[in-house]
Amino acid sequence: NAGVTQTPKFQVLKTGQSMTLQCAQDMNHNSMYWYRQDPGMGLRLIYYSASEGTTDKGEVPNGYNVSRLNKREFSLRLESAAPSQTSVYFCASSPEAARPNSPLHFGNGTRLTVT
Amino acid sequence: AQTVTQSQPEMSVQEAETVTLSCTYDTSESDYYLFWYKQPPSRQMILVIRQEAYKQQNATENRFSVNFQKAAKSFSLKISDSQLGDAAMYFCAYRSDRRSQGNLIFGKGTKLSVKP
Repeated sequence: NAGVTQTPKFQVLKTGQSMTLQCAQDMNHNSMYWYRQDPGMGLRLIYYSASEGTTDKGEVPNGYNVSRLNKREFSLRLESAAPSQTSVYFCASSPEAARPNSPLHFGNGTRLTVT
Repeated sequence: AQTVTQSQPEMSVQEAETVTLSCTYDTSESDYYLFWYKQPPSRQMILVIRQEAYKQQNATENRFSVNFQKAAKSFSLKISDSQLGDAAMYFCAYRSDRRSQGNLIFGKGTKLSVKP
């Protein structure tokens, strides 16, 4: 029962470098989400994908891009990393956006540091 | 836009005692869902309890229960018989019933310490 798997667990980047955070779920969920968690700020939505083939911006999308590669995978890309993107990133999934009583299932997070 | 407020950045409780974590939210919607998530030092986000706004009865899950006051837009979490393993960050979250909205809106969290 892997659930939601995120890679890598930790990453250090230099300002201006690019990278992709990977996320995969094996629960056949339709909806997937990317959040960032900063101290004292809770979790904030970056992007989400209500279903395969669709993506939408969340609260803090600037500096990020996403790809819903297939039903299982939803990646987050930082094209030119900035120190302000130092954060813990969480991927989550849920059966579908149309079932709001279903909780989100979270991965274990990626701690990203941009120097 | 909906907002979630947790007014207690940190709380402390003695082992075996009871503690209540506060959460208030702001919305103009009548149908929605509320959640409490626990985040231990391992960083994993764990669902503790959920509440449907249309249900008057407060949700309970073993030692965890909520006090849901819809008119006051309040959703507090009560932890009874606190255990050392309850030490964690606790996040209150709101989810709209509208079909186009699927994400959770989180509060800033309350850090709970449990003293032996």
